[in-house]
Amino acid sequence: QVDLVESGGGVVQPGRSLRLSCAASGFTFNHYAMHWVRQAPGKGLEWVAGVSHDGGNQYQADSVKGRFTISRDNSKNTLDLQLNSLRVDDTAVYYCAREVSVLWGTMGHFDSWGQGTLVTVAS
Amino acid sequence: DIQMTQSPSSLSASVGDTVTITCRASQSISGYVNWYQQKPGKVPRLLIYTASTLQSGVPSRFSGSGSGTDFTLTISSLQPEDSATYYCQQAKTFGGGTKVAIK
Repeated sequence: QVDLVESGGGVVQPGRSLRLSCAASGFTFNHYAMHWVRQAPGKGLEWVAGVSHDGGNQYQADSVKGRFTISRDNSKNTLDLQLNSLRVDDTAVYYCAREVSVLWGTMGHFDSWGQGTLVTVAS
Repeated sequence: DIQMTQSPSSLSASVGDTVTITCRASQSISGYVNWYQQKPGKVPRLLIYTASTLQSGVPSRFSGSGSGTDFTLTISSLQPEDSATYYCQQAKTFGGGTKVAIK
């Protein structure tokens, strides 16, 4: 049974940093690309960042490029997201999601999601 | 970047109705469109992937179709538990969502 458990959310002031983690279990972690998807209160889903199965390639949305860094540790089955220079509009629930790729080089679908961790940026 | 425009943004239908939600891509894509259901306070759930493949465990009243720029999610015989927001997704882009309410 696939299980993804996020942690690290909380309340932080604008301009500060936060590190989110996702602990994965129930599957061969290093076989899958992993992603962070966020959802601001009352809003839709927004893809934030992704990392290839081996950690060799990382991708970020334009809205977070230069501020957020995604990484993974395949020896510990963990996915991280470093959030720097946080802004009020980064307030959201952050979900960790597993990607199933159908075609090499094309982002596939997210078949498993964690419960999410809430990040609130406020002064 | 490809934009995904979802319509309608909300709808209300009766139990037993057939409901159709549309997602239009800003350019032709290869059919790698996925659909998710999200109930209030819950985690998104994958329903359909690669436009028309039903995810394991999803009721057969859900179906997907489309190609090129236009894709649809159809819910046949709408049930009370289908009240939720539905999102399409193509690669890193999600549609804006469609809120389905039961009359």
